Amino acid sequence: NAGVMQNPRHLVRRRGQEARLRCSPMKGHSHVYWYRQLPEEGLKFMVYLQKENIIDESGMPKERFSAEFPKEGPSILRIQQVVRGDSAAYFCASSPQQGNSPLHFGNGTRLTVT
Amino acid sequence: DAKTTQPPSMDCAEGRAANLPCNHSTISGNEYVYWYRQIHSQGPQYIIHGLKNNETNEMASLIITEDRKSSTLILPHATLRDTAVYYCIDPANAGGTSYGKLTFGQGTILTVHP
Repeated sequence: NAGVMQNPRHLVRRRGQEARLRCSPMKGHSHVYWYRQLPEEGLKFMVYLQKENIIDESGMPKERFSAEFPKEGPSILRIQQVVRGDSAAYFCASSPQQGNSPLHFGNGTRLTVT
Repeated sequence: DAKTTQPPSMDCAEGRAANLPCNHSTISGNEYVYWYRQIHSQGPQYIIHGLKNNETNEMASLIITEDRKSSTLILPHATLRDTAVYYCIDPANAGGTSYGKLTFGQGTILTVHP
């Protein structure tokens, strides 16, 4: 019974490149959430998606960041033209439904921008 | 954002009970209190949640005061692997659309020592 799978586990990008982070939710889960944890800071909500829909993107930076959760395949968090300040751990979580369902988190992708 | 207050750090001897307090005085009547923990370099892990009755599962017990303004997470027999940051979360449901939009504060760093 696989949990939330994120890949890659570690990603190194040079400034100006693009980063693509992938998340496969737990089987049967149709709700996906992305969180970011900057060095020495707490986890911050970024975006909430259901299949083919962005439900809440209030935590996403206005530029360079986008997320999708297509009908088939994993959810993707895309960061264009990365800068050093994007270096962080990015966590994906999933849940089976809205309501009082706990979130199941993956082990994150650690992005380092050089 | 709904606020919770936790002590920044606690120590516990291995094999003893760890009691982690949390104040959530602004929690609304229909919101559950959730507890998660984050072990170093891993994603957050769901522990337990409760509304107004005390709860117990294989990981921990949750004691909620009658006025629901505070709760205590109890790890009955702490082990070294329980060393982690423990987060008490008031989901602060924003209109029923973002149950997964959690606010992680600074949490309590629990150190279990031999």
